[in-house]
Amino acid sequence: KAGVTQTPRYLIKTRGQQVTLSCSPISGHRSVSWYQQTPGQGLQFLFEYFSETQRNKGNFPGRFSGRQFSNSRSEMNVSTLELGDSALYLCASSLNRAVNYGYTFGSGTRLTVV
Amino acid sequence: AQTVTQSQPEMSVQEAETVTLSCTYDTSESDYYLFWYKQPPSRQMILVIRQEAYKQQNATENRFSVNFQKAAKSFSLKISDSQLGDAAMYFCAYRSASVTGNQFYFGTGTSLTVIP
Repeated sequence: KAGVTQTPRYLIKTRGQQVTLSCSPISGHRSVSWYQQTPGQGLQFLFEYFSETQRNKGNFPGRFSGRQFSNSRSEMNVSTLELGDSALYLCASSLNRAVNYGYTFGSGTRLTVV
Repeated sequence: AQTVTQSQPEMSVQEAETVTLSCTYDTSESDYYLFWYKQPPSRQMILVIRQEAYKQQNATENRFSVNFQKAAKSFSLKISDSQLGDAAMYFCAYRSASVTGNQFYFGTGTSLTVIP
């Protein structure tokens, strides 16, 4: 059974550009969450999607957005990139929203903003 | 908001020995879950062990066990018979049992080195 797939694995962008990251959950999983990991701030929650609807959002500016498609694949977008957006972006998928279903993380996308 | 604190940025252990990683948390909720995740250089967060707050019995998974002290809001991880493959970053995490609070709160992590 395939795990959570995040693409691309590495990405280098220039300040001011925008970027789109992709997350394909485990087959049958309907909940997808995104996290940002930086050395300074640690792991911070970005947002959660379930059944194509954003259900929960972390404390990030509006430049960070996301969506989920009918096949549960999710994308997150960051517009007007800043140097501070350089981070590892992780997504996690779960069968359902209830915590007892368990969560599986992907290997992340390493974004570098120059 | 919930907070999770890991006070040991780095730990080391001799192969085959036992090591304990510390974690404390703060919450006003009564129903929640606690987790330990491992993040090796491959970057994927791997679940090590999970504890439901309503269960008094400490969770155990093979060589991994926890000491859950609900009143003290403490949740430590004990790794027995340490192996080279245990070397990684370890994160303690909290998650509400309520669907409305559906996110992980992570600690800052403990880097574990296993010495051969």
